[in-house]
Amino acid sequence: QVTLKESGPVLVKPTETLTLTCTVSGFSLTDTRMGVSWIRQPPGKGLKWLAHIFSSDEKSYRTSLKTRLTISQDTSKSQVVLTMTNVDPMDTATYYCARVTGSWLTPDAFDIWGQGTVVTVSS
Amino acid sequence: DIEMTQSPSSLSASVGDRVTITCRASESISSYLNWYQKKPGKAPKFLIYAASTLQSGVPSRFSGSGSGTDFTLTISSLQPEDFATYYCQEGYSTQLTFGGGTKVEIK
Repeated sequence: QVTLKESGPVLVKPTETLTLTCTVSGFSLTDTRMGVSWIRQPPGKGLKWLAHIFSSDEKSYRTSLKTRLTISQDTSKSQVVLTMTNVDPMDTATYYCARVTGSWLTPDAFDIWGQGTVVTVSS
Repeated sequence: DIEMTQSPSSLSASVGDRVTITCRASESISSYLNWYQKKPGKAPKFLIYAASTLQSGVPSRFSGSGSGTDFTLTISSLQPEDFATYYCQEGYSTQLTFGGGTKVEIK
């Protein structure tokens, strides 16, 4: 059974760095046919893709957030980590990690999702 | 970046109704279009890929169609568990943009 689980802080102060971890099971981060993405949903708003990483360690970022995001993976721990610097209350959202099919050049669909983790940015 | 526009943004329907949701891409995305169902407090559920192929386990009352820039998601007979928000998502670019969502509410 394929599962993904997010973990991280519930509350972060403005200007701090947010670090989220996605722990996967049931598939390998070295599988060339898929990768892991981060997606978020602010309260009352829609879904926004943030970043993804594939087995080749190739990465892509949302253009508007590229300077603030870093995605990395530790295949030995089956974990994908997303860091977001200089957070703002506008970054308050539920953050999901999801398995993404395809390849780095041709990513496609998010077929399996984690349960999500709620992050609030407030002083 | 490709923009994905869904319409309507919300609709009210009754159990048993046929419901159609439209998704339009700002440029041609061939058939690289996926659909998800989102309920409050739950993770999105992957419904349809490649515009018209049902993900395993998805009821056959769901169907998708379209190519190029115009796509539709149809629920042939709305069931109580189908009340949710539906999102389209393009799988053509590297930015993987979602539509704004369509909330299906009980009439």
